[in-house]
Amino acid sequence: AAGVIQSPRHLIKEKRETATLKCYPIPRHDTVYWYQQGPGQDPQFLISFYEKMQSDKGSIPDRFSAQQFSDYHSELNMSSLELGDSALYFCASSLVGWDEQFFGPGTRLTVL
Amino acid sequence: GENVEQHPSTLSVQEGDSAVIKCTYSDSASNYFPWYKQELGKRPQLIIDIRSNVGEKKDQRIAVTLNKTAKHFSLHITETQPEDSAVYFCAATLLSGGYNKLIFGAGTRLAVHP
Repeated sequence: AAGVIQSPRHLIKEKRETATLKCYPIPRHDTVYWYQQGPGQDPQFLISFYEKMQSDKGSIPDRFSAQQFSDYHSELNMSSLELGDSALYFCASSLVGWDEQFFGPGTRLTVL
Repeated sequence: GENVEQHPSTLSVQEGDSAVIKCTYSDSASNYFPWYKQELGKRPQLIIDIRSNVGEKKDQRIAVTLNKTAKHFSLHITETQPEDSAVYFCAATLLSGGYNKLIFGAGTRLAVHP
């Protein structure tokens, strides 16, 4: 069965650079969530989209933005990267009316 | 907003013993409580979940109990095996259209020793 796809899987950036993370949800899933997980921490909700509209917002810095496109894939854009942005970024997708969120493999971002 | 507390932060058991992880939540409106298992560097994987209209759910060696009055839910793993070693996260959310963000507990690192 198709799963959530994230790209790239690993990304190394310098401070103050920008990064774009991509998420392709499971086919027919209409909701996408982004989570940030620092080392030894629990995943923290960043932002979500339902039917291409932002549905909820968590602890997402103003330097970050995201959107969901007509094919339901989503991109997380991160600017002015800081050392503290180094983390695993997970995308999850679900179908409205169903409770389970399916997580992608994550993108490991390292900011040097 | 919702806040989830999880205990213990680490748990060490012998193979074959039982393991219990406990979580409390703050928002009485939350109605969905999943448990995730995460191995190092991997994605969180759902192992069991429970909705607020159910008090207990079991799947082979894994069970979850929910006490809505106390806003408390627990994960029980019986006959633990070394491959159960991982970090376990509880989570809570209010299922509502596209607004189902998961609020996670801090995690429990379970070590099962042969």
